[in-house]
Amino acid sequence: EAGVAQSPRYKIIEKRQSVAFWCNPISGHATLYWYQQILGQGPKLLIQFQNNGVVDDSQLPKDRFSAERLKGVDSTLKIQPAKLEDSAVYLCASSSRVGYTFGSGTRLTVV
Amino acid sequence: AQSVTQLGSHVSVSEGALVLLRCNYSSSVPPYLFWYVQYPNQGLQLLLKYTTGATLVKGINGFEAEFKKSETSFHLTKPSAHMSDAAEYFCAVSGAVFSGGYNKLIFGAGTRLAVHP
Repeated sequence: EAGVAQSPRYKIIEKRQSVAFWCNPISGHATLYWYQQILGQGPKLLIQFQNNGVVDDSQLPKDRFSAERLKGVDSTLKIQPAKLEDSAVYLCASSSRVGYTFGSGTRLTVV
Repeated sequence: AQSVTQLGSHVSVSEGALVLLRCNYSSSVPPYLFWYVQYPNQGLQLLLKYTTGATLVKGINGFEAEFKKSETSFHLTKPSAHMSDAAEYFCAVSGAVFSGGYNKLIFGAGTRLAVHP
């Protein structure tokens, strides 16, 4: 089966600019997650969707981050405006009762 | 609440030596436990997972881990290290599977494994 697709692979922006990441999960996976992985740390959950509803967004900095999964399939994560500390790899994952699969991530550098 | 502690941010072993990466967890519900490996500039690859049943879990690439409830541990081992094992390893904990999939994963900070000749 196809894996979790993410784009872009890399992104460099200046602080205060906006950026968006896209994720297409494995077909049929109801649950989708966005994780932030800062260099030298483990991934941290930003938001969890089940179908097109939000299950957990307690760690999402809602003043600048937003995410949507309108049709319960693919998802976008947006940062507006970006700060230097947002430099990280943004990982998308999806799961079913069978298992959990991660995408390759988007590496964001804010300068 | 759930949390994971990985003891040792860096571990160095000789090729052919035993690999032991330590993981302790805290969970208020029966845990599901995972080990992931991450190679440079790549995503997370599942090595093995414990959900229920047998406490000794075998994974890919010769790795295995044992769930010890009394010690709240899930240490990862491999009898003989290979140069290709050099990577970052993450231990993670989750709650039980629900109808739509898995609950969120809580990750440890990671252990970087170096393998020298």
